[in-house]
Amino acid sequence: GAVVSQHPSWVICKSGTSVKIECRSLDFQATTMFWYRQFPKQSLMLMATSNEGSKATYEQGVEKDKFLINHASLTLSTLTVTSAHPEDSSFYICSQTQREDTQYFGPGTRLTVL
Amino acid sequence: EDQVTQSPEALRLQEGESSSLNCSYTVSGLRGLFWYRQDPGKGPEFLFTLYSAGEEKEKERLKATLTKKESFLHITAPKPEDSATYLCAVQASETDNYGQNFVFGPGTRLSVLP
Repeated sequence: GAVVSQHPSWVICKSGTSVKIECRSLDFQATTMFWYRQFPKQSLMLMATSNEGSKATYEQGVEKDKFLINHASLTLSTLTVTSAHPEDSSFYICSQTQREDTQYFGPGTRLTVL
Repeated sequence: EDQVTQSPEALRLQEGESSSLNCSYTVSGLRGLFWYRQDPGKGPEFLFTLYSAGEEKEKERLKATLTKKESFLHITAPKPEDSATYLCAVQASETDNYGQNFVFGPGTRLSVLP
């Protein structure tokens, strides 16, 4: 069964609005989760590491004020795309790591900004 | 700059026709090399982590190997259900920023024909 869930699975929004994506760990208390972005026909790019109870760690080139990450509990991390624009349209994926670096990915959220 | 390339870009095999996928990397100190498979429109599925040259790991029809410059994913007697995009990623151990230093390759699209 699924280990990591994401909600929503897809979302369409107008330019300038903010969108929140949830990532839930279903059977494991994850102190750390990871957020990725994948543009069509391209590979994944790690955006940030979400740390429970502390600030997220962002990869080089990722705007922390644009992509707000909150890891409020051991089972929930959220990514908010603030003031979304068409260039933010992408497939957003989260993951967690269990047991000897085994990674579990969520099913992804497809964001379309009009 | 850390880089990951994968070859071939796409590969078509007949069912049962074994082959290998290549992942070449340049990184300032390797913390780990990771292999994933990804089906269209879905989150990746973790396959292997390799940490040092000479290391090998196997899972069903897949076997991953690692040298100081590249990794191979060997697929033995593939089946149509092995069709997917195979991604590799490297994590650098030496950095002057605060991120995870994860770099993904562009992937190899594998099609296994019945």
